[in-house]
Amino acid sequence: AQSVTQLGSHVSVSEGALVLLRCNYSSSVPPYLFWYVQYPNQGLQLLLKYTSAATLVKGINGFEAEFKKSETSFHLTKPSAHMSDAAEYFCAVSDRAGGTSYGKLTFGQGTILTVHP
Amino acid sequence: DAGVTQSPTHLIKTRGQHVTLRCSPISGHKSVSWYQQVLGQGPQFIFQYYEKEERGRGNFPDRFSARQFPNYSSELNVNALLLGDSALYLCASSWQGNGNTEAFFGQGTRLTVV
Repeated sequence: AQSVTQLGSHVSVSEGALVLLRCNYSSSVPPYLFWYVQYPNQGLQLLLKYTSAATLVKGINGFEAEFKKSETSFHLTKPSAHMSDAAEYFCAVSDRAGGTSYGKLTFGQGTILTVHP
Repeated sequence: DAGVTQSPTHLIKTRGQHVTLRCSPISGHKSVSWYQQVLGQGPQFIFQYYEKEERGRGNFPDRFSARQFPNYSSELNVNALLLGDSALYLCASSWQGNGNTEAFFGQGTRLTVV
């Protein structure tokens, strides 16, 4: 079974500071990994995804994440936070194998990012 | 092009009632998945349909059912509503529904059971 653990339910940073949101995964097969962002009362928007190409993945809005197999991690970073980055962020894993779990996303609990002026 | 559309956006139901939620995928997408997001938690997988067939089912009771129509739109039905069914229900569509194709999410339907 797959699982995702996001360390820290709330992260607070100052505008212009580094953003680091932590995600560790567990999967019995090589995974696909995703980061989604959710603004209040909205659906989920994909920030970036890892599908076994480059281990450093660049996404939208200046975010990037690095896949580290040895650490089973896929942490999300952004060099300089903007006020507009305030939202909830979800890490998710998908089974790349076939079967009934194919395409199913397993999400972490989410991390709420607050950006202070 | 229109994104994933869900209807209604909000509804309030009484315990024991039945509810039907609807989802229209992005044009050309053949896979629809449903997720339940309880307040303060990440989305939980309920169903995936691809080419009108159920491909996957999450750990939800039989009160939950779904179907996909020939035009690839989908309905999620929940019978005998419980207070614990109150949540944001998200629909996601993707072209193939396999592991590495992007899933596009709708705005969700906020269900409140009283």
